[in-house]
Amino acid sequence: TQLLEQSPQFLSIQEGENLTVYCNSSSVFSSLQWYRQEPGEGPVLLVTVVTGGEVKKLKRLTFQFGDARKDSSLHITAAQPGDTGLYLCAGPGSGGSNYKLTFGKGTLLTVNP
Amino acid sequence: EADIYQTPRYLVIGTGKKITLECSQTMGHDKMYWYQQDPGMELHLIHYSYGVNSTEKGDLSSESTVSRIRTEHFPLTLESARPSHTSQYLCASKGSAGNTEAFFGQGTRLTVV
Repeated sequence: TQLLEQSPQFLSIQEGENLTVYCNSSSVFSSLQWYRQEPGEGPVLLVTVVTGGEVKKLKRLTFQFGDARKDSSLHITAAQPGDTGLYLCAGPGSGGSNYKLTFGKGTLLTVNP
Repeated sequence: EADIYQTPRYLVIGTGKKITLECSQTMGHDKMYWYQQDPGMELHLIHYSYGVNSTEKGDLSSESTVSRIRTEHFPLTLESARPSHTSQYLCASKGSAGNTEAFFGQGTRLTVV
């Protein structure tokens, strides 16, 4: 099983601050995805990164895929209370298990007004 | 908008009862998944399927069973519910390519008393 380690596990910040959360693995992934989950709902896809070194921007969110495709980061600029949620990274299994979809433990972000 | 539905949304049931959690999707996806999640915590993969008549156990051992007789339907059954089964159960589906988006239902919050 390919493991995804996320850090920090919990993060509480004030509105307007910047933050970065991380997703790391000892395994190479063909792609990684970031999801956000709000209380009482299922996770929703934010972005998929495929190419090593790739950087994608989604408004105030910046996603980066490591050159070796073993890690990824999510940076949020000027966080807002609406950014509060559980941020999860996910990747497919390897080889014959590429139809599995495994998630990291997540970072629970709270943005205080 | 995701076309994947879970019922019931909430279920409170007594110990020893048999229950079936329903999950249906209308997107024609081959891959379907069941995850177990406690509030604000990680998603544990308990079952997945890559097509009709194919089911596999996930990374977290579970006493539940699943079936995939039709592409659109992936029900989960507990033969004898116990308080330790209390949790949220999330169903997801995705297309065939490894980096396509996974769509989640809203989940079933199960409480066994």
